[in-house]
Amino acid sequence: EAQVTQNPRYLITVTGKKLTVTCSQNMNHEYMSWYRQDPGLGLRQIYYSMNVEVTDKGDVPEGYKVSRKEKRNFPLILESPSPNQTSLYFCASSPRGGSGANVLTFGAGSRLTVL
Amino acid sequence: RKEVEQDPGPFNVPEGATVAFNCTYSNSASQSFFWYRQDCRKEPKLLMSVYSSGNEDGRFTAQLNRASQYISLLIRDSKLSDSATYLCVVVDTGGGNKLTFGTGTQLKVEL
Repeated sequence: EAQVTQNPRYLITVTGKKLTVTCSQNMNHEYMSWYRQDPGLGLRQIYYSMNVEVTDKGDVPEGYKVSRKEKRNFPLILESPSPNQTSLYFCASSPRGGSGANVLTFGAGSRLTVL
Repeated sequence: RKEVEQDPGPFNVPEGATVAFNCTYSNSASQSFFWYRQDCRKEPKLLMSVYSSGNEDGRFTAQLNRASQYISLLIRDSKLSDSATYLCVVVDTGGGNKLTFGTGTQLKVEL
């Protein structure tokens, strides 16, 4: 089944404890992206990647890192999580970037709580 | 002014009603437009693209008004299963790729 898989789906952690949210897609998509969703703010893009080894900042990249060493994986790294990073995170992919990036397939979401 | 604005609702409508949502955008250079549907605590899923000439998919009709910079979604004969949050997405493909999501409009279809 074509899908985007995120892990963990739920995580409660403490301030400063590094964590990684993994994202993997099995559709050979070039474009991948991370979003966070907060009440009243909608979905905001954190980072995106047009292809392997190509990553760019989105609207809210502060406090996050990403890497794209393989086409299928796009992990989101929080080096030192803070409570304001408590949010619902979505990974998404698309066959290609540019005008094709609109047809996004989303993962099921990862709900992160930082105490 | 927000780049993409939607009325958060909720829109509470009886089953069978026709309901319409609008979404305004501020960047006149925006080139592509879409509606996504998001069920509670689930991931967004593409509902339909919005073409300049307007497009229809069953009970759903999407339209674009470039002059007034808004897109609309019309749902006819509402079903209980249409209850969800509807997100508009505006894509500016100039200078890289930038998708901007609206905050969503919540629809509740009731018996």
